Amino acid sequence: GAGVSQSPSNKVTEKGKDVELRCDPISGHTALYWYRQSLGQGLEFLIYFQGNSAPDKSGLPSDRFSAERTGGSVSTLTIQRTQQEDSAVYLCASSLTQDSEQYFGPGTRLTVT
Amino acid sequence: SQQGEEDPQALSIQEGENATMNCSYKTSINNLQWYRQNSGRGLVHLILIRSNEREKHSGRLRVTLDTSKKSSSLLITASRAADTASYFCAPSSGSARQLTFGSGTQLTVLP
Repeated sequence: GAGVSQSPSNKVTEKGKDVELRCDPISGHTALYWYRQSLGQGLEFLIYFQGNSAPDKSGLPSDRFSAERTGGSVSTLTIQRTQQEDSAVYLCASSLTQDSEQYFGPGTRLTVT
Repeated sequence: SQQGEEDPQALSIQEGENATMNCSYKTSINNLQWYRQNSGRGLVHLILIRSNEREKHSGRLRVTLDTSKKSSSLLITASRAADTASYFCAPSSGSARQLTFGSGTQLTVLP
């Protein structure tokens, strides 16, 4: 079946612009996660959605970052007033339940110039 | 969530040999997942093992879990050049569901 998909695959933006990254989780998966991976760095958790519960935003690095998940499916991660340090690969993952394995999308490579 | 520590940091073997990598963690877990990441590609889920399981198999992969030692191992049998990748373990504990990866084990399988 279809895996997690993300768009765009690559995004180059100028410093100060806003960007939106999209994630389509696996159908039926109740949990959705956003992470980012900077060059040479490990995986950094950003935000977690589980069903209709309030999202866990504890990993968002600043108030320039926000995310929403509409209808319990598609999620959008928005970064306002992008900075060069926001350059990274942004990964989305989904899992059937909050205790099951997470499946990752291919990521969006964001470059802020 | 807690971060697992993979060992060794790097491993180089010949095609056909077995590769073993280890993961240690600090506090009790609900489950532990292993992932693979090829250079420039996404993260691929390999196996999830729950705290009440001791061993799990998937094709050429075998994962063991020793909760008394707070450690897990991943064995890849009859390795192939395509197995060349970084391997990460992700222990999950408490109510936290997000994954945290360590530096991983960089496996190189020489043809």
